[in-house]
Amino acid sequence: QLQVHESGPGLVKPSETLSLTCTVSGGSISSSSYYWGWIRQPPGKGLEWIGSIYYSGSTDYNPSLKSRVTISLDTSRNQFSLRLSSVTAADTAVYYCARLSSRSSPFDYWGQGTLVTVSS
Amino acid sequence: NFMLTQPHSVSESPGKTVTISCTRSSGSIASNYVQWYQQRPGSSPTTVIYRDHQRPSGVPDRFSGSIDSSSNSASLTISGLKTEDEADYYCQSYDSSSWVFGGGTKLTVL
Repeated sequence: QLQVHESGPGLVKPSETLSLTCTVSGGSISSSSYYWGWIRQPPGKGLEWIGSIYYSGSTDYNPSLKSRVTISLDTSRNQFSLRLSSVTAADTAVYYCARLSSRSSPFDYWGQGTLVTVSS
Repeated sequence: NFMLTQPHSVSESPGKTVTISCTRSSGSIASNYVQWYQQRPGSSPTTVIYRDHQRPSGVPDRFSGSIDSSSNSASLTISGLKTEDEADYYCQSYDSSSWVFGGGTKLTVL
């Protein structure tokens, strides 16, 4: 059974870079034609797609965040990561990692989410 | 890019049927599949409908999905409502290298 799990600092200072890692277990991150994505949810608000990375390493980002986002794969550790630069309080959210089988499929395996608070 | 608009909240009594709409702002609703997720408080989203109307294994057949090209919208219908269906529901679709979520609908079963 595939599992994905987010990890990283729970508190980030304004203007700094948020860095999170998603560890995949029960399957290889590079073995098949899957997409791996990051989604966030501010407290009490809805879901927002941040970006996705294909198993080959190609990326797509939310246009509203594109200038600040980098998603990358680490196949040796079976992980993928998120970096969001120049954070503000508006970036405070629960951050989820998830898997997609294809562009037209749902996000089918989700992590439990990790709360990141931006505050000095 | 496009937006998906959902009602902020809906409520209905147990045993009744409720429909949640998801309207696409531009481009055809039929051009890309629509997925629906259920999110209970404190939990990660789970898929209740995928590819417009398909139901994952384990999701009761009380849940159904459809699309309507005339209104450019997708709908999630839950029949025989149970108190356990009370949750937030999100539609989601894809186009032009972007995945888009609707704003979510809070379903209250009272």
